Formats: sequence, structure tokens, C-alpha cells
Amino acid sequence: SSELTQDPAVSVALGQTVRITCQGDSLRSYYASWYQQKPGQAPVLVIYGKNNRPSGIPDRFSGSSSGNTASLTITGAQAEDEADYYCNSRDSSGNNVVFGGGTKLTVL
Amino acid sequence: QLQLQESGPGLVKPSETLSLTCTVSGGSISSSSYYWGWIRQPPGKGLEWIGSIYYSGSTYYNPSLKSRVTISVDTSKNQFSLKLSSVTAADTAVYYCAREGNDSSGLNWFDPWGQGTLVTVSS
Repeated sequence: SSELTQDPAVSVALGQTVRITCQGDSLRSYYASWYQQKPGQAPVLVIYGKNNRPSGIPDRFSGSSSGNTASLTITGAQAEDEADYYCNSRDSSGNNVVFGGGTKLTVL
Repeated sequence: QLQLQESGPGLVKPSETLSLTCTVSGGSISSSSYYWGWIRQPPGKGLEWIGSIYYSGSTYYNPSLKSRVTISVDTSKNQFSLKLSSVTAADTAVYYCAREGNDSSGLNWFDPWGQGTLVTVSS
């Protein structure tokens, strides 16, 4: 079982805002990073740290953190945002890397 | 731009050793700023970190796999490799290599990723 917990599935209406969350004790000490994975493709980093977007990632993707919860927010979701989203961070010891179980985002 | 490419057998027999190599192009594996990691994804399931290596050879592994995993680096070839011993059907997965970023706060991220390679464990 993962030390980071994500909701298995979330849906959002086209053009609306959606928040995908990641919970874990280690998130009180470490920021999370977020990945988008479309079917048959490798994951792509979309957010890392407090709220850093790699080059080429649209600014509708943003990150935040509070207590033991990290969040990925998509403001104005597009059809192409339909994908699986994974968070990752350190574990509670700080010595290892963990991933959340993933959230399947459906854009209606 | 930096690219990573996994290579190795797509079929491994139970109890044998899985061996994969990741070739890095468009940049040096000897960069002092990054580790290099392996992550796997069983069919229809989530991502699992396997372990990571620094160009100097320093490694750290997922505790749940540590007894079976060896990651090594060949800076002359700009490659790093994964060996996973005593495999079972549960090790069937897409295996990805990726560059791992870290900062002094403990922040950790993987970017970019290779395309992944499916390894099936079956007799």
C-alpha cells in the first residue's frame, strides 16, 4: 500500500475547475510532484514543488499544499486533460520515494 | 533535449534475473544535479519507484525490492542499468527510466521519462 493516498476517480465538466488531492503524513514535511499519464504513454511531469510548472505545461495547472494534503488544480479543464494523475514525494523517513495510487480524471 | 530510452528483453522466465539498460542522450549522465531512476507500472496499476543512482555510483532502493535490486551506472556509455533477481509474475510491468531531480528541501521529481518497456515474466 502507498503512503500517499489519492481518490481513484474524479470527474469535471469541460471548462470547469477540478482539484485532485494527495494525502500522506510525509506531505507535512515535503512538497509533492504531479504527473499526467495518458493511455499507452509515459508519465509527464506537470507540477513540482510548491507550484512549479515545467516548460510547456499550460498555466491552467497549479499546485498547492496544506497540512498533510497536496493538491493539483486544473482551472478550465480541457478535453485533453483527461488522463491519470499521480503524485509523488518522499516517504515519512525522507529516505525513499513514494507514489500515490493515481486518480483517473474524466472530463465530461 | 534530454531523452531516455530503455532496452532489454521483453520476456523473462520465473526465477531468472531481469536486466534493463537506459541510454541517455542529449545530455550527460554525469550531471552533478541529478539522480537517475527506475520506476515500474504493472498492467492497469499505478507507479512504483524501484530505485535511483547518482553518477558516482551512490544508490538508494525501494525497501520492498532492495534485496533483489541492483542499479549500476556506466558514465562512459551514458547509461544506467537495472537488475532484478528472482522474478515472478508479479514483476510483470512496464519499466520506465527517468531523470530524478532533488533539492535541499527534500523535494523530488522525475523528468523526463523514457517511453517505457514492457517486461513479461512467464515460462
